[in-house]
Amino acid sequence: QVQLVESGGGLVKPGGSLRLSCAASGFTFSDFYMSWIRQAPGKGLEWVSYISRSGIYTNYTDSVKGRFTISRDNAKKSLYLQMNSLRGEDTAVYYCARDHCSSDSCPNWFGPWGQGTLVTVSS
Amino acid sequence: SYELTQPPSVSVSPGQTARITCSGDALSKYYVFWYQQRPGQAPMLVISQDTERPSGIPERFSGSSSGTTVTLIISGVQAEDEADYYCQSADSGGTYAVFGGGTKLTVL
Repeated sequence: QVQLVESGGGLVKPGGSLRLSCAASGFTFSDFYMSWIRQAPGKGLEWVSYISRSGIYTNYTDSVKGRFTISRDNAKKSLYLQMNSLRGEDTAVYYCARDHCSSDSCPNWFGPWGQGTLVTVSS
Repeated sequence: SYELTQPPSVSVSPGQTARITCSGDALSKYYVFWYQQRPGQAPMLVISQDTERPSGIPERFSGSSSGTTVTLIISGVQAEDEADYYCQSADSGGTYAVFGGGTKLTVL
């Protein structure tokens, strides 16, 4: 079945860096856009970034532009999020999700989602 | 920045109907998607494109749309429906995804 498994979260100091990974299985990875969505502790969901099927097109929420970089390796069926210059407000569970964005409709819905990986930014 | 507005909480007794609203200036232009998130779990789609129920979602889940307000309707609420519910749509320019603040559904 379709499965997404995130990894790479952890505790990092403000200003530090972290690279998240998401391993996909059970579907043709290269056929789908992919997104990262985060949820701060006890808070709501916030879309962070998406990447197109080939990786050519990317987009970011304003608060992470210039600090985060999304990428993918279709041969490895993997999605990545490089996070630099981390701040306390970046503390959250980060979910990768299959993004149903298409030429006809974008943004679109997300699903399924991985189980998430916790990133804590604190000194 | 563009916002989708949801009530923070809704409470209903088992068997009653729960209605959770989502309001936004651009909702007459873009579809809304609804997600259920149980404690400790990832979100799961329960309603697509305002009113469409994905396969595997119980029939008691439905959606309606009127102008700039979209409503998630859960008929005959069961204890297992207790969860946080989020609406999602596009920003006013149709560029990126936006989520509502979430509504905690409590089954009394």
